[in-house]
Amino acid sequence: GQQVMQIPQYQHVQEGEDFTTYCNSSTTLSNIQWYKQRPGGHPVFLIQLVKSGEVKKQKRLTFQFGEAKKNSSLHITATQTTDVGTYFCAGSPRGGYNKLIFGAGTRLAVHP
Amino acid sequence: DVKVTQSSRYLVKRTGEKVFLECVQDMDHENMFWYRQDPGLGLRLIYFSYDVKMKEKGDIPEGYSVSREKKERFSLILESASTNQTSMYLCASRKRTSTNIQYFGAGTRLSVL
Repeated sequence: GQQVMQIPQYQHVQEGEDFTTYCNSSTTLSNIQWYKQRPGGHPVFLIQLVKSGEVKKQKRLTFQFGEAKKNSSLHITATQTTDVGTYFCAGSPRGGYNKLIFGAGTRLAVHP
Repeated sequence: DVKVTQSSRYLVKRTGEKVFLECVQDMDHENMFWYRQDPGLGLRLIYFSYDVKMKEKGDIPEGYSVSREKKERFSLILESASTNQTSMYLCASRKRTSTNIQYFGAGTRLSVL
């Protein structure tokens, strides 16, 4: 079946270091979304990428969608303790517009 | 702000019990979803509903059923709870527009003993 693989599963960084999580889909996606789940919380939408090669920024967060629309990345510059949580990518397969296929998530720990 | 409310934050049930998890959204969203979240597996789709009285199986529907009698409410039913259904259950809703943003409830942590 359709899968979205996300790596790494865990990442521990010192505050101020950069962080990147990667997603790869087994099939071409219509779009990809990113969600953040704080510890004890629920997933909250961050951003959606639709176009091939698209790059979007939100302050210290940079999101990329691959040219083939099968991979994506989230990069955080100079992490802060408020960045702690699990980051999920979620792909919308072609023809499956109503569904999202979630990656397993990357749990980020930031040490002060 | 979109509000998705799940009836219970924590639930403890016994094996074989019938369990109802309720979800209500207040934004007139057509689509609603039930996921379960397990460590290392991310969010897996159990069932979703396009609209009232409509439902479609997700990736892991076995052991579950759903009900959508009213637009704002989507219920997940465990006909006979088993220990392998111990998990975090998340409900989400989405407006049927060109975007695909899903809004999640706070989750129900179900323990089946």
